[in-house]
Order: sequence, then structure tokens, then C-alpha cells
Amino acid sequence: RKEVEQDPGPFNVPEGATVAFNCTYSNSASQSFFWYRQDCRKEPKLLMSVYSSGNEDGRFTAQLNRASQYISLLIRDSKLSDSATYLCVVNEDSSYKLIFGSGTRLLVRP
Amino acid sequence: DAGVTQSPTHLIKTRGQQVTLRCSPKSGHDTVSWYQQALGQGPQFIFQYYEEEERQRGNFPDRFSGHQFPNYSSELNVNALLLGDSALYLCASSSLAENQPQHFGDGTRLSIL
Repeated sequence: RKEVEQDPGPFNVPEGATVAFNCTYSNSASQSFFWYRQDCRKEPKLLMSVYSSGNEDGRFTAQLNRASQYISLLIRDSKLSDSATYLCVVNEDSSYKLIFGSGTRLLVRP
Repeated sequence: DAGVTQSPTHLIKTRGQQVTLRCSPKSGHDTVSWYQQALGQGPQFIFQYYEEEERQRGNFPDRFSGHQFPNYSSELNVNALLLGDSALYLCASSSLAENQPQHFGDGTRLSIL
């Protein structure tokens, strides 16, 4: 079983749509959680950290369910510029070794 | 304030050759991690350097080695290159004291012919 699993997509949605991505992780002792965004042939960039209480940043909402070992990302009012691959990332301890999912591809169409 | 910088941006090698990739961390960061990202996959952790020593290592063979210099910059060396080593190699830096998410460089795209 992979340490971090994501649906690869692609998710093909119209502008203005709401889209949700899910991710599961295998190590219940994992401590930190993130969503990174990666554009084609570019480096991953931090989108947001994910906290147990859930957190929101503009159109983006992240949620963490430790009991189910499940992380989600909700994007509201999708823009064309949201088209990218979204990587679910887990840090199992304080060592900064990040464990990445394979990514979920989002295509937002006009 | 420069972010993480990597060189070269692209590199083409043949099987059996050796390669050295370089990384300068973001100003104020003392920890450097290297990742390999194959096409269609997420980045895979290779190793991490702090205080010029390898702190942690992922599931990569000994052909992959590294170094960190007193100015915190780092090198990744790969010997006896295989076709499967073709990938985007990413360097990420962080500050051990600050416990903040890592910042990635633009990466080096390595192609093995």
C-alpha cells in the first residue's frame, strides 16, 4: 500500500465549479500535512498547510480527519489558472522528510 | 532575497556516466533535502543534509550520494547512471529551528540516453 494515495484524475470542470480532492495516508503517527500545487514542468509550490480544525484560504479549504487518516482540499469558484496538479503531502515526523502522493490533475475549462 | 536555486536547469547524460547537481538554499535556511520526481509521479525523498551530515535517507541505492558545504549549499552526485535515473531532481530547503514548510527550487531535469 502506498504511504499517501490520491486519485490521479484528471478532474475536468468548468470555470466557476466547486471541486474536491481527497487523499489518504497510511501512517497514523503522521504529524504535518500539506497541499502543494505543481504546474507542468515546474517545481511544487506550497498551497496550504492542513490543520486538524480545518482551515481556509480564500477559495481553498483544507480538512484533516486523523481518525480516518484522510485529507481533503476543496476549491470553490474554479478559475482557469487553478489548472495544475495538486499534491497531497505528509510529514511523518519532525525530520522534514516529506512524503508525496502522486498528485491529482485538475483541468478547468472556459 | 533569493529563493532556492539549482543548477544546471537541464542536463543530458549517457548510461554509465556520473553527474553532479547543485543547490543553494534560501537565505536563512540550514537544511537541504533532495527529491527525485519521475514523470507522472510525486517527488520521492532521496536524502537530507544538516550541519554537513546526511541526517536521513530514502530508498535510493548508494549510487546516489551527496554533500553539504559550510555555507549550507549542497550537491547531489549520481554514479553509473541508468536510464531510470531520468527525472526532475528537486532541492528543498528549510530551517530546522523554524519548523516551516519546505521551499523548492526550480529543479534540474536530467535525461539519460
